[in-house]
Amino acid sequence: AQSVTQLGSHVSVSEGALVLLRCNYSSSVPPYLFWYVQYPNQGLQLLLKYTTGATLVKGINGFEAEFKKSETSFHLTKPSAHMSDAAEYFCAVSDWYNQGGKLIFGQGTELSVKP
Amino acid sequence: DVKVTQSSRYLVKRTGEKVFLECVQDMDHENMFWYRQDPGLGLRLIYFSYDVKMKEKGDIPEGYSVSREKKERFSLILESASTNQTSMYLCASSFPEGNQPQHFGDGTRLSIL
Repeated sequence: AQSVTQLGSHVSVSEGALVLLRCNYSSSVPPYLFWYVQYPNQGLQLLLKYTTGATLVKGINGFEAEFKKSETSFHLTKPSAHMSDAAEYFCAVSDWYNQGGKLIFGQGTELSVKP
Repeated sequence: DVKVTQSSRYLVKRTGEKVFLECVQDMDHENMFWYRQDPGLGLRLIYFSYDVKMKEKGDIPEGYSVSREKKERFSLILESASTNQTSMYLCASSFPEGNQPQHFGDGTRLSIL
């Protein structure tokens, strides 16, 4: 069965610093992986996804993630944090082998950005 | 752009009431989902539907039911609302292929008094 672990429920960075949000997955089949962002009192918005092909995936708002099969990781990064990046971030893996379209979500990481 | 619309952003109901949360999507997606989100618990799947009149239980279906009479609409029903159902409810939709993302509505913050 697929699962997702996000390391760190809260991450705090200074404005302009590197953002690194960690995600490890477990999957017995080739994974489809997603990162979502949730701003306060809003729904989830897709940041980026990995399905096949290039392992470095670029998303919206300057975020990118690298799929590393050997490490079963899909960490999210952004070179320079902005105040507007403060939000909650969710990593997810598709349960496509069992039930197409169903996603397994991590517990989320809340990102704070200090001025 | 995909649009998933939830009928209410905020809703206040009383214990024992029957509560309906409505969700409509405009992208002809086969799959639709209802989640609840609570601090420290992440997103938990309540029910999902992969076709009209079809439904599957998620991780926490107790106290809830769903209805999908039309492809674009997926309703969540709290049969007899209780205070422990106070939560943020999120609706999502997607195509059935596993490499397709889910698209979310803005959520309904439901308070049961």
